[in-house]
Amino acid sequence: AQTVTQSQPEMSVQEAETVTLSCTYDTSESDYYLFWYKQPPSRQMILVIRQEAYKQQNATENRFSVNFQKAAKSFSLKISDSQLGDAAMYFCAYRSAAGTNDMRFGAGTRLTVKP
Amino acid sequence: DTAVSQTPKYLVTQMGNDKSIKCEQNLGHDTMYWYKQDSKKFLKIMFSYNNKELIINETVPNRFSPKSPDKAHLNLHINSLELGDSAVYFCASSPLLSYEQYFGPGTRLTVT
Repeated sequence: AQTVTQSQPEMSVQEAETVTLSCTYDTSESDYYLFWYKQPPSRQMILVIRQEAYKQQNATENRFSVNFQKAAKSFSLKISDSQLGDAAMYFCAYRSAAGTNDMRFGAGTRLTVKP
Repeated sequence: DTAVSQTPKYLVTQMGNDKSIKCEQNLGHDTMYWYKQDSKKFLKIMFSYNNKELIINETVPNRFSPKSPDKAHLNLHINSLELGDSAVYFCASSPLLSYEQYFGPGTRLTVT
């Protein structure tokens, strides 16, 4: 079974600075998708960014970018120019491209942004 | 317009009761899901329905039963509630062949 590991339970960043959240995963599949979701105190799960495993180019969405290392099974999230509104729980998730398409989540990283 | 909605947002009930949580999506998606988020924020899938057929059933007690009256709705019914059922329950949906899931706002269930 696929597993997703987020080794940083908590991270802190100064406003306007850059922070990187780590995620590793374990799979024997070659075709899959990876995601970062954000969960602010409102508890709504919000998709931040997604990456297709077959794409070598790292995904970017405004201030959010990923470093996808397929061989190392690593998928880190970089947040540039951090804002107070970025404070939230961040979840890394894996989804197979085949089979039941269920999504596996990591344990989450709580990000605090200091003014 | 709300894409995935859940009712109620908060539910407080006593042990032994039976309760339901409703979920509706207006995205036209083929697959819907239920997740449980425990007190440590860990998210685990419980069920998914594709065109009213159950396609995932993780190791969930049979006190939990998903019911889908149509493609746009997936309700979660829980019998004989236990203290350990206290959690936030999320509904989500996705197109059949899509890789992205859209989540509802969650329902915080507290069993006393």
